Formats: sequence, structure tokens, C-alpha cells
Amino acid sequence: GQQVMQIPQYQHVQEGEDFTTYCNSSTTLSNIQWYKQRPGGHPVFLIQLVKSGEVKKQKRLTFQFGEAKKNSSLHITATQTTDVGTYFCASPPNAGGTSYGKLTFGQGTILTVHP
Amino acid sequence: EAGVTQSPTHLIKTRGQQVTLRCSPISGHTSVYWYQQALGLGLQFLLWYDEGEERNRGNFPPRFSGRQFPNYSSELNVNALELEDSALYLCASSDGQARTDTQYFGPGTRLTVL
Repeated sequence: GQQVMQIPQYQHVQEGEDFTTYCNSSTTLSNIQWYKQRPGGHPVFLIQLVKSGEVKKQKRLTFQFGEAKKNSSLHITATQTTDVGTYFCASPPNAGGTSYGKLTFGQGTILTVHP
Repeated sequence: EAGVTQSPTHLIKTRGQQVTLRCSPISGHTSVYWYQQALGLGLQFLLWYDEGEERNRGNFPPRFSGRQFPNYSSELNVNALELEDSALYLCASSDGQARTDTQYFGPGTRLTVL
């Protein structure tokens, strides 16, 4: 079935440093979604990217979808302690693929921000 | 508009017991998903229900089962609990008709098996 690989698994940064997490797939993705889970909380939808090469921004967060629609990244500029949590990418199956509950989640990147 | 709700929030059981977790989706959503998240780990897909039918299940033994009711709420049942079943169980819902299928998660049920 469709696999979405996410790296790194862990990232420790000093407050003010930048942070990037990457998701890669061997197959073309129809769209990619990003979720954030705060410690002790539940995943919360952040954004969805659909178009090849799409870039979207939410304040200090920049989301990119690769030209081939096989990879995506989330970049946080000047991290703050409120950014701590686990960031997941997720993607639905392509037409004809085995549905995994309509979204396949990456393994997540756990971000720790040191003040 | 109310979000996805789950009950109970916390549960403590002993090995061999059975448990039922409940989920109410966002109003209008027909799809319900169940995930298991062991401490510090990712989301492991358990079950997907849509329009009252089980559409897919993850790589879990048959003692994990569930159902979806006519009002689209759902139950997850776990029989013969084992220690490794201790985890956060998350329910999510989505608009089954939507092409993008964004999932909205509930707060989860924290299950501890002693």
C-alpha cells in the first residue's frame, strides 16, 4: 500500500531557530495534509496542499508540495515554545490504490524547543 | 459547532477484561476512523466506518472490533485486554462526501491496562 515516510523522527532546537520536517512518497500523492499534535493532545488539522509546487503560509509556518507531488515539507521560522509537539503529514490513497481509511499518516516528527 | 467527542476520557482495566470506547462525529460527518497511539508513537490505523459499514481495518487482531450506528456515532470494542493495549485511542470523523477527506480528531480515550 501507499507509504509516506517522514523525517526526522525527532528534532531539538533552541528557541528562535528554524525547523523543517519532510515527507516523502514513492508514488504520486493526490494531496497532502499536515496535522499538529501538542503533548497530551490530539492531532489538529493545519493545512492541505493539492497542486504541484504549491506553497502555503500560516504566519511562521511554510508548507510546500513538491513539483512531482511526491514530497512535502513543513518549515517553521524562528521557533517558539508554543511550537512544541508532533507534526504529522497525511495523504489519501491514489485512485485504484488500497484505501487505508482514506488517509495514510507519516510517522511524525517530534519537535522540542528549548527556551 | 461541536467537534468530535469521545468517552470516557480515561479508563483503567486489567488484563483479560473487555472495554468499549465511544465516539460521536461532527454533525454531518458520515465517516468515523479509529486509531491507536501508544505512548510516544505514531498513529496506527484501526478501523474505518462509513455509512454504517466497516470499510477497512488495520493490522490488528480480531479482538479489536467496532460498529457504527445509524446516527453515525461509533463504538470500539477491545476484548481480552493485554498490557500492550495501553494507549491513547483516537477517533476522527470526516465528511464522507468530501474529496479531500480531512479528518477531525476527538480528544481521545486514554486506556491503561494493568
